[in-house]
Amino acid sequence: GAGVSQSPRYKVAKRGQDVALRCDPISGHVSLFWYQQALGQGPEFLTYFQNEAQLDKSGLPSDRFFAERPEGSVSTLKIQRTQQEDSAVYLCASSHLAGATGETQYFGPGTRLLVL
Amino acid sequence: EDKVVQSPLSLVVHEGDTVTLNCSYEVTNFRSLLWYKQEKKAPTFLFMLTSSGIEKKSGRLSSILDKKELFSILNITATQTGDSAVYLCAVEDNNAGNMLTFGGGTRLMVKP
Repeated sequence: GAGVSQSPRYKVAKRGQDVALRCDPISGHVSLFWYQQALGQGPEFLTYFQNEAQLDKSGLPSDRFFAERPEGSVSTLKIQRTQQEDSAVYLCASSHLAGATGETQYFGPGTRLLVL
Repeated sequence: EDKVVQSPLSLVVHEGDTVTLNCSYEVTNFRSLLWYKQEKKAPTFLFMLTSSGIEKKSGRLSSILDKKELFSILNITATQTGDSAVYLCAVEDNNAGNMLTFGGGTRLMVKP
């Protein structure tokens, strides 16, 4: 595809509801990243996939957060029992190669999650 | 833990002004420093810097890295209203997989 796409673009959830956020990376990109961006702050790393393998999930804030990329392409970030502090923009990024200097991460438009 | 600090937090200028945005960092094993522009949606890539003292330039934007003093600057000359955005600085650490550590951003507003 032309770029990274994410859906939905906006999501309003009631506290306690489960949500699933989707990311379609650029075709052929090996690496996929999820970031959380709170209002007025820079993005913060959540988790990283190389193909279907989740190599780093150190940034996931709690066990309510779960990410998968079963076929090494599309990824889903799931948040269970949402809480108000989960309200943020969730950004997905992809890059062609893993661990190579000069490989840029390209970002999707993000999903803005509001938990009421 | 890697750390990125950007200054100023926000900046208001008039069209035609020149601005300098600052980024200082602490990183265990430096791989690269990146600048992104974010306008209410996806951060868009501007520059990747890996070597000290080599200026990267794209139109009215330029950036340079100082690996000894651990900072980078992003310059925008002859600013236009379309330059209004949040500018994000991020570092890659060889010891931290492939994640980016971002600063808090500088919010630039260019007034006509």
